[in-house]
Amino acid sequence: EAQVTQNPRYLITVTGKKLTVTCSQNMNHEYMSWYRQDPGLGLRQIYYSMNVEVTDKGDVPEGYKVSRKEKRNFPLILESPSPNQTSLYFCASSSVKEMGTEAFFGQGTRLTVV
Amino acid sequence: EDQVTQSPEALRLQEGESSSLNCSYTVSGLRGLFWYRQDPGKGPEFLFTLYSAGEEKEKERLKATLTKKESFLHITAPKPEDSATYLCAVQAWTNAGKSTFGDGTTLTVKP
Repeated sequence: EAQVTQNPRYLITVTGKKLTVTCSQNMNHEYMSWYRQDPGLGLRQIYYSMNVEVTDKGDVPEGYKVSRKEKRNFPLILESPSPNQTSLYFCASSSVKEMGTEAFFGQGTRLTVV
Repeated sequence: EDQVTQSPEALRLQEGESSSLNCSYTVSGLRGLFWYRQDPGKGPEFLFTLYSAGEEKEKERLKATLTKKESFLHITAPKPEDSATYLCAVQAWTNAGKSTFGDGTTLTVKP
């Protein structure tokens, strides 16, 4: 089954404690992207990657890091989380040819930073 | 800077009552405009991509249209299962990997 898998689904952490949210896709997609979704603010793009070792900033990259060492994985790293990073996070992937359709989103990771 | 504005924020319809959702956009060189459906607690689900003014796409009770400044998502004879948040997003040729989303329209269809 084609899917994008995020882990964990839910996470409560404390300010300053480094964390990683994993994202993996099984469709051999070149393009992957991270978003955060906050009430009333829609989806805002954090980082995206066009292919292995190629990453670029979205609209809200501050406080986040990403890496793309393998085609299937695109982890989101919060080096020193702060309460304003409490949000619902989504990972997405698509073929570069169909890029932007982003036909596949993960199920989301709800992060709370206290 | 690319901008996307969706209206209304919320829409309540009776089953069978057709209506339209609006997505106004500003982008320097539109590569594509995308519509998604999102159910509570779930990731967005892709519906349509529109590439040029005048283009239309249909899927069941949904029809998306595009002009140079806005897109409409027409819902014909909606059913309660069409209740969801509908999101619009754009990509520009100048930065094809970057997506800008609107805040969405939450549709509620009452039986």
